Amino acid sequence: NAGVTQTPKFQVLKTGQSMTLQCAQDMNHEYMSWYRQDPGMGLRLIHYSVGAGITDQGEVPNGYNVSRSTTEDFPLRLLSAAPSQTSVYFCASSRRDWYNEQFFGPGTRLTVL
Amino acid sequence: DQQVKQNSPSLSVQEGRISILNCDYTNSMFDYFLWYKKYPAEGPTFLISISSIKDKNEDGRFTVFLNKSAKHLSLHIVPSQPGDSAVYFCAASAVNRDDKIIFGKGTRLHILP
Repeated sequence: NAGVTQTPKFQVLKTGQSMTLQCAQDMNHEYMSWYRQDPGMGLRLIHYSVGAGITDQGEVPNGYNVSRSTTEDFPLRLLSAAPSQTSVYFCASSRRDWYNEQFFGPGTRLTVL
Repeated sequence: DQQVKQNSPSLSVQEGRISILNCDYTNSMFDYFLWYKKYPAEGPTFLISISSIKDKNEDGRFTVFLNKSAKHLSLHIVPSQPGDSAVYFCAASAVNRDDKIIFGKGTRLHILP
């Protein structure tokens, strides 16, 4: 099993550009989520999904969109990048019945200039 | 409004001694608590969890204590080893209400030789 994979590892964007951070898992997990990690702020939940076709907002959803068309994939879209979105982004997944014990991907480091 | 608080940004402990990491929460609906460990440039990894029906859970060198009346939990690591140097995140969720998992800001643990 590859576990949770994220692409790209690093990305630099200009303000106003859009992009999609990819996340995939091969463990047949129902629950997937996106977090951002900023210095001194810990991990903040952006969006999450409890299954294909179902998504919901976390603590800091503004400026981000998600969709869940398959169990395996949970992409995060930045519609119009802003410097405040400079961060490290982590995707995670888990079984729904043990959804709290999440497996995290290696992260994507995003810089918005 | 920070629902999960880790008030110590960093902690230094001598190798072989006990490390105690603390976490407080404000949401009385939280009923499941977790600790994650994170090394630089990697995603967090699950360490140990505890349900609100318990007040203690042990796994090898790691023990988590929960004091519901004080809305406080702690992670004890005995004995501390060099590989324990990492950032530790406390997380909480209200299992029967929603699927959000809220993290604290983390505590950086340094194990001194």
